[in-house]
Amino acid sequence: DGGITQSPKYLFRKEGQNVTLSCEQNLNHDAMYWYRQDPGQGLRLIYYSQIVNDFQKGDIAEGYSVSREKKESFPLTVTSAQKNPTAFYLCASLGVTDTQYFGPGTRLTVL
Amino acid sequence: AQSVTQLDSHVSVSEGTPVLLRCNYSSSYSPSLFWYVQHPNKGLQLLLKYTSAATLVKGINGFEAEFKKSETSFHLTKPSAHMSDAAEYFCVVRILGGNEKLTFGTGTRLTIIP
Repeated sequence: DGGITQSPKYLFRKEGQNVTLSCEQNLNHDAMYWYRQDPGQGLRLIYYSQIVNDFQKGDIAEGYSVSREKKESFPLTVTSAQKNPTAFYLCASLGVTDTQYFGPGTRLTVL
Repeated sequence: AQSVTQLDSHVSVSEGTPVLLRCNYSSSYSPSLFWYVQHPNKGLQLLLKYTSAATLVKGINGFEAEFKKSETSFHLTKPSAHMSDAAEYFCVVRILGGNEKLTFGTGTRLTIIP
């Protein structure tokens, strides 16, 4: 059935490492989004992509990178330049009914 | 610029009593407004949305919200709380015809007292 999958569910990173979070959707949606969630702060937009091979910085893009080579996939890389990466990361896609659909999230912890 | 303010960070109600989660928005243009629910360590699920049609919007699980332009509010209500309603709730605004970016409130944690 259709939806958004994120993997892994839990991820541990050592200081100085780059890690990549996966986001896949089979909803045939053009636009996809990455958000970061910290306790008490709601969701903040990291990057978004409205079409394949194009993406835009969100409000907190520093220390992150993305690619959009396929419509179904929008991976997020958390680089060593991100000083405080421990957070819950949510991927979403935008349907034709003006609604964003969210994946189950990846919890990243820096050791 | 658009923004959204959730007036309560934490709300506690007894099971079977009404729920009211408050949200005020600010937008220079016609907004779309959403309420999402998040259970612990899960993604967000859409409860309901307003997109300039009927001002009283009915959603899933018995929730509804009323868009009041004069008060710039979009409060979420439910007549009778259930234990399964315990979760975090987010009010979200998006400008119609904008660049599809959403602005999230900081969330309201709803606790249900047995």
